[in-house]
Amino acid sequence: GEDVEQSLFLSVREGDSSVINCTYTDSSSTYLYWYKQEPGAGLQLLTYIFSNMDMKQDQRLTVLLNKKDKHLSLRIADTQTGDSAIYFCAERPSGANNLFFGTGTRLTVIP
Amino acid sequence: DAGITQSPRYKITETGRQVTLMCHQTWSHSYMFWYRQDLGHGLRLIYYSAAADITDKGEVPDGYVVSRSKTENFPLTLESATRSQTSVYFCASSDRGQGDTGELFFGEGSRLTVL
Repeated sequence: GEDVEQSLFLSVREGDSSVINCTYTDSSSTYLYWYKQEPGAGLQLLTYIFSNMDMKQDQRLTVLLNKKDKHLSLRIADTQTGDSAIYFCAERPSGANNLFFGTGTRLTVIP
Repeated sequence: DAGITQSPRYKITETGRQVTLMCHQTWSHSYMFWYRQDLGHGLRLIYYSAAADITDKGEVPDGYVVSRSKTENFPLTLESATRSQTSVYFCASSDRGQGDTGELFFGEGSRLTVL
């Protein structure tokens, strides 16, 4: 299967920026996703980026895509305590019907 | 209420017993998926279905059985539960129309403990 890698933990202070990184393996992936999982809940789509884009901005969220290095990052500006959650990177290779998820990064925001 | 619902949310069972986790969606999405979430592994696909009566194996199908007699339901059965199947199970659905982003919509999860 595909191998999507993320670091497991990240801690930041409230008000700072958070950067969560992800590397993926399939260069044919047409869409790359960031999902957020709050405690005891399912995953919710946070944002996605189409493979022909380098950057996507949505309010406090900035997604950067480096296709050459197969690297995806999610930047959260002015991180709040409500941003504490597990963030999953996912890819959908061309022709695949499902998504391949990374291990998830647990973001802890320190007040 | 509209959406995707899983039941039970919590289940404790014993090794060797049969367990069925239910998943129901009200969007008429064609695709449905079962993932398991384990620390250090993220989410791994167990089975998926593209439509009623069509199912396919994912990355970790051994020990699991699925069926899809109706579009809205996609139950997952552990025929003889093992301790290694202790996990949180997520059902998801997707409407893979042309040009669709392929976003998956997730249920809240079913936490299964096998003693």
